[in-house]
Amino acid sequence: NAGVTQTPKFRVLKTGQSMTLLCAQDMNHEYMYWYRQDPGMGLRLIHYSVGEGTTAKGEVPDGYNVSRLKKQNFLLGLESAAPSQTSVYFCASSYWGETFLNQPQHFGDGTRLSIL
Amino acid sequence: GENVEQHPSTLSVQEGDSAVIKCTYSDSASNYFPWYKQELGKRPQLIIDIRSNVGEKKDQRIAVTLNKTAKHFSLHITETQPEDSAVYFCAASYYGNNRLAFGKGNQVVVIP
Repeated sequence: NAGVTQTPKFRVLKTGQSMTLLCAQDMNHEYMYWYRQDPGMGLRLIHYSVGEGTTAKGEVPDGYNVSRLKKQNFLLGLESAAPSQTSVYFCASSYWGETFLNQPQHFGDGTRLSIL
Repeated sequence: GENVEQHPSTLSVQEGDSAVIKCTYSDSASNYFPWYKQELGKRPQLIIDIRSNVGEKKDQRIAVTLNKTAKHFSLHITETQPEDSAVYFCAASYYGNNRLAFGKGNQVVVIP
């Protein structure tokens, strides 16, 4: 049982390049999330998804796009990378049931992205 | 939206002593409060959580207390060990909203 898997683990981009970060979960979770983590800033939500085919904006969505074509996958795209997007990106997933009670989020190992 | 603050930002304790980290939240509708531990270069991992219908929860050396009136909750680590050294994040969420608002984290350093 792999849990939440992120690829790649590291990447260096030049300003203006594009790339896609992939998140896959094998826990059949409905909710998936993308966060960025910067020193002293904690975890900030970029986008999230409540189910296959749905996405929504989080706290810091500008400059990012996402897609959830399959329940197990959540993709984060940078169309034109900027140095301000240098960060560690974490994907997470959580269960959601009929009780509507909040559930723990399970995190991947992160992607360290540097933009020069 | 919800705003979560953590204090102090850095906490140093002698091995064997207790550590307490306090978080405050702004939205009185929040009803779910998890704590995550993140070791250097690793993923955040859930260590304990509490819902608003409970005032305290304990798991071995770790406990969380919740004061809904004052809108704060605290993580208590007893008999600290070097492996407790990490960054600890608190978070809050409210009913029907499966999203978390995270605090900025506390660095805990356990001195052998």
